[in-house]
Amino acid sequence: GENVEQHPSTLSVQEGDSAVIKCTYSDSASNYFPWYKQELGKRPQLIIDIRSNVGEKKDQRIAVTLNKTAKHFSLHITETQPEDSAVYFCAAPSMDTGRRALTFGSGTRLQVQP
Amino acid sequence: DTGVSQNPRHKITKRGQNVTFRCDPISEHNRLYWYRQTLGQGPEFLTYFQNEAQLEKSRLLSDRFSAERPKGSFSTLEIQRTEQGDSAMYLCASSTHLTENTEAFFGQGTRLTVV
Repeated sequence: GENVEQHPSTLSVQEGDSAVIKCTYSDSASNYFPWYKQELGKRPQLIIDIRSNVGEKKDQRIAVTLNKTAKHFSLHITETQPEDSAVYFCAAPSMDTGRRALTFGSGTRLQVQP
Repeated sequence: DTGVSQNPRHKITKRGQNVTFRCDPISEHNRLYWYRQTLGQGPEFLTYFQNEAQLEKSRLLSDRFSAERPKGSFSTLEIQRTEQGDSAMYLCASSTHLTENTEAFFGQGTRLTVV
């Protein structure tokens, strides 16, 4: 099935700096790559996603890049703010489910120091 | 609140007891998923419904677990003869049925503690 690896597991940055989280996947046919943010005690919420027909997508301070050849995608957060502190998960469609459900990475705990 | 709703939010049970959780997805969503999340990990896929049909079930899922979605709306997840290793957050998610994957909206989850 799909194997999704995420790095780093923890990331601490100063407010205003950029943060980058990277994920690799194993299924070359995967075509949808979402990123979820989960604050403590809350549900995961989608913050951005990208499909395999584009290499980059931006939404204000958040961007995602995709390298299909290398099978990795990254989340970029610029001008970080304390409210960006949370756990971030990448995901990719799971081959085991006919690509209908997602396999999630193990998460990155981002801490933005004021 | 028109989001995904799960009940109960918390459940404490003794080992060996049966528990049942409920999920009410967003009303127009055909796809419904159950995931399990343990501390420090990402959600792990358990099972998936398209309308009332259970189309996929994780190979990791014990036969003590069963899920239903009888009318293609709400779903229930039952765990029989609970074990301490079943302690986790059980998350439900739903999405619209299109020919490609779209955003999955998660519920707040049911936190199960088996003592």
